[in-house]
Amino acid sequence: EAGVTQSPTHLIKTRGQQATLRCSPISGHTSVYWYQQALGLGLQFLLWYDEGEERNRGNFPPRFSGRQFPNYSSELNVNALELEDSALYLCASSPDYTGELFFGEGSRLTVL
Amino acid sequence: EDQVTQSPEALRLQEGESSSLNCSYTVSGLRGLFWYRQDPGKGPEFLFTLYSAGEEKEKERLKATLTKKESFLHITAPKPEDSATYLCAVQAETGANNLFFGTGTRLTVIP
Repeated sequence: EAGVTQSPTHLIKTRGQQATLRCSPISGHTSVYWYQQALGLGLQFLLWYDEGEERNRGNFPPRFSGRQFPNYSSELNVNALELEDSALYLCASSPDYTGELFFGEGSRLTVL
Repeated sequence: EDQVTQSPEALRLQEGESSSLNCSYTVSGLRGLFWYRQDPGKGPEFLFTLYSAGEEKEKERLKATLTKKESFLHITAPKPEDSATYLCAVQAETGANNLFFGTGTRLTVIP
């Protein structure tokens, strides 16, 4: 069974540009979570989508947004990129609300 | 505010030298405490869920325990392949469903 897949693996952008990251959850999982992992920091919760709806968002500015599609895949958009947005962006899916998350390998975003 | 503190930040062990990692937490009602393992360049991998004080879970050389204020991940006779960053996370009873992660303990097991 395929795990959580994320694309692209690496992305290089310049300040002020926009970045779009994509995530395909494990088949049958309806919840998708996005986390940011900056160098030296822990995983910071960004967004939670379930059944196509945004259920919760973390303490990030509105330029971080996303959506979940009818097939439960998801995308994360980051507008007006800043240098501090450079990080590993992790997507995770879950079949329920138990907190057992299945993570993808992440998309590394570098902002120059 | 939910808070998770892990210690030590980094730990170096000789192969076979047992030790424990600590996770102290503050949360407004604990729904669950989770341990994950993260290898360099990879996403975290789920290890354990603990729900109530006194609970223990085991998997190979790892054993996780939970009290009302902290959790320990005991590593018995570690091997080099146990080298990874171990992350602790909590899920609150109320509000959002997301996990709140600590910054992790980076474990290195030397052959």
